[in-house]
Formats: sequence, C-alpha cells, structure tokens
Amino acid sequence: KAGVTQTPRYLIKTRGQQVTLSCSPISGHRSVSWYQQTPGQGLQFLFEYFSETQRNKGNFPGRFSGRQFSNSRSEMNVSTLELGDSALYLCASSIQTSTDTQYFGPGTRLTVL
Amino acid sequence: GENVEQHPSTLSVQEGDSAVIKCTYSDSASNYFPWYKQELGKRPQLIIDIRSNVGEKKDQRIAVTLNKTAKHFSLHITETQPEDSAVYFCAAPRDSGNTPLVFGKGTRLSVIA
Repeated sequence: KAGVTQTPRYLIKTRGQQVTLSCSPISGHRSVSWYQQTPGQGLQFLFEYFSETQRNKGNFPGRFSGRQFSNSRSEMNVSTLELGDSALYLCASSIQTSTDTQYFGPGTRLTVL
Repeated sequence: GENVEQHPSTLSVQEGDSAVIKCTYSDSASNYFPWYKQELGKRPQLIIDIRSNVGEKKDQRIAVTLNKTAKHFSLHITETQPEDSAVYFCAAPRDSGNTPLVFGKGTRLSVIA
C-alpha cells in the first residue's frame, strides 16, 4: 500500500498570505489528523476529520481550518499567516479511531517571512 | 483533558547500553499508549504501543511498561545501536472516547559509538 503523502513538501510565504496544504491518506483509512511540529512545542494537534466531518479540534485560532473530501483526502488552510506559523505540518491517517495506529506523512515545511 | 509529561528531554548513551524514557499522564481513563520514533528529517513512525489491559510488551530490543496506578509508562531500549539515535515521542488519548492523541515533547536520544 502507498503511504501517506503530503503536498507541497516545502512552502515559503509572507506574513498576511494564506496557504493550503494537502494530505492523501492510506487507501482505506478514513481518519485524518493534522499536527503542527515546532522545536519548542513538539507535536501539537490541530484537528481530525472522519467521513468528511471534523471530529476533534485542538486549541488553535480560527485562522486554521480544514476539510475532508469523500475520498478521505484532506486539506488544511491557514489564513493571514504570522511568523509564528512557521513549522512542519504533519498529517496522519488511521483506519477509524485515534487508538488505531496512526501513519504519518512526510510533512509540509512552511516558512513564513 | 490529558497532560503528558516526558523525561528526559535529551539522553546520551554508549552503544550497547540501555536507554529508558519515561512518560506520565494525568487521565486515569487513558487506555492506549503509543511510542513514535522520528529520525532526523523523517516522519514519526510507530515503534511500539501498549493498551491498558497489559503491563508490559516487548518487541526484540524494545519494550514498553505501563504502571496504571502511578500513571506512567516507559520505553526501554536494550543493546542500543547508532541507528537508534532519534527523537522519541510518547502519547496518550486526550480524554475518554474517540479523542485525539496528546504527545509528549520528545526525547532526543544519541547513541555514541
């Protein structure tokens, strides 16, 4: 089976812009979770989508949003970018629940200038 | 909600020695405890997990122990090798039900040849 894929792998944006990241889960996986990884804060949960619905949400401002399509592919959007949004954004897919094994994608490295 | 503390933040061991990383959690209802390994520039990968109905699980040189009374779980790596050098993350469900994982801040393990 193909693993979790994310596009693009690298992005450079300026403050105030918006960005959309994409995640394709493993075939058959219906849950997609998004995480922000920074050196100081580790892996912080953004949100989880299951069957096109946001099932769980982390403690991030409304500038961070996401969606999931009928084929389980997911996108996340960050509007009005801030310098502090620079991070590695990881998505992870699992079959159904958070206690099923989560498989991570390679991440998108976002740099905000 | 769950709070996961991970110690130490950095660990250096000589090749062949053992390494132990410990995590504590706050929610006594937590029932699933995975460990992820992230090599430099790579995605996190699950290396072992344990559920609350067992006290220990082993997979070759890796073992995880769970103490539900004290609310802590530990990763043990024996006969360490240079390829074990990575950042290790523990995690636990945020709360009961189908909720996302909360990750510890990670332990950077360096195995010195």
